[in-house]
Amino acid sequence: DVKVTQSSRYLVKRTGEKVFLECVQDMDHENMFWYRQDPGLGLRLIYFSYDVKMKEKGDIPEGYSVSREKKERFSLILESASTNQTSMYLCASSRYEPSGNTIYFGEGSWLTVV
Amino acid sequence: GIQVEQSPPDLILQEGANSTLRCNFSDSVNNLQWFHQNPWGQLINLFYIPSGTKQNGRLSATTVATERYSLLYISSSQTTDSGVYFCAVDGRDDKIIFGKGTRLHILP
Repeated sequence: DVKVTQSSRYLVKRTGEKVFLECVQDMDHENMFWYRQDPGLGLRLIYFSYDVKMKEKGDIPEGYSVSREKKERFSLILESASTNQTSMYLCASSRYEPSGNTIYFGEGSWLTVV
Repeated sequence: GIQVEQSPPDLILQEGANSTLRCNFSDSVNNLQWFHQNPWGQLINLFYIPSGTKQNGRLSATTVATERYSLLYISSSQTTDSGVYFCAVDGRDDKIIFGKGTRLHILP
C-alpha cells in the first residue's frame, strides 16, 4: 500500500514564526502536492511538484514556499505564519500515468496560528 | 482553470436509504477520483474512474466524460458512511482540482 506520512498531526505556532510541514511518501511517486482544507472551501492546491527540485504554484501559493530536495520528501514552509493560515494541511503524492494520476493522501496536519 | 462543482452540499439520510452524489466539471479531464473523508480527516480513495462504471460493495460510480459529470451511488447507507465525499479531477496541466464536497450524515 502507498503510504504518505505527515510528520506533525497537530501544531500550534505563534504569529510570525517560521513553520515547516514535512511530508514523506514511500512509493517512489514523481508528483507531490500540498493542499489546505477549510470549511466550505474544500481542498485548495497550494503548490505541487512533479520532480526533484521542481515546483509549480497552485491556486493559493501566497504566503507559502516549498522544498523538494529528495524525491520522497516534500516540505511546505510558512515563512512568517499568520492567523489566516490556521487550517488543515494535506499532503499527497501520485505516480504519473498517461491515463491520469491517482492521488494518495497523508492524514493531515492541523495547524493553529495564534 | 477547470471548475469542479459537487451537489448537493449537504445530505441527511436515515440508515438504510440510498443516495446519489453528483460531480460536474467544466472541461475534459484525464482522470476523476472519488474520495471519502472520515471524521478524523483521513481521505480515502474510493474510485479511480475517468469513464464508465465501477462497483465496490455498496458503492458504485459512473463517469460520463463526454457530458462532463460523474455520479457516486451509495446503497443501503450505514452510519459509517457519514463524512465528506469529494471528487477530484486531473486536468491537462497536471493539477488535481477538488470540488467543495458533499457532507453526508447518516442517522441511526
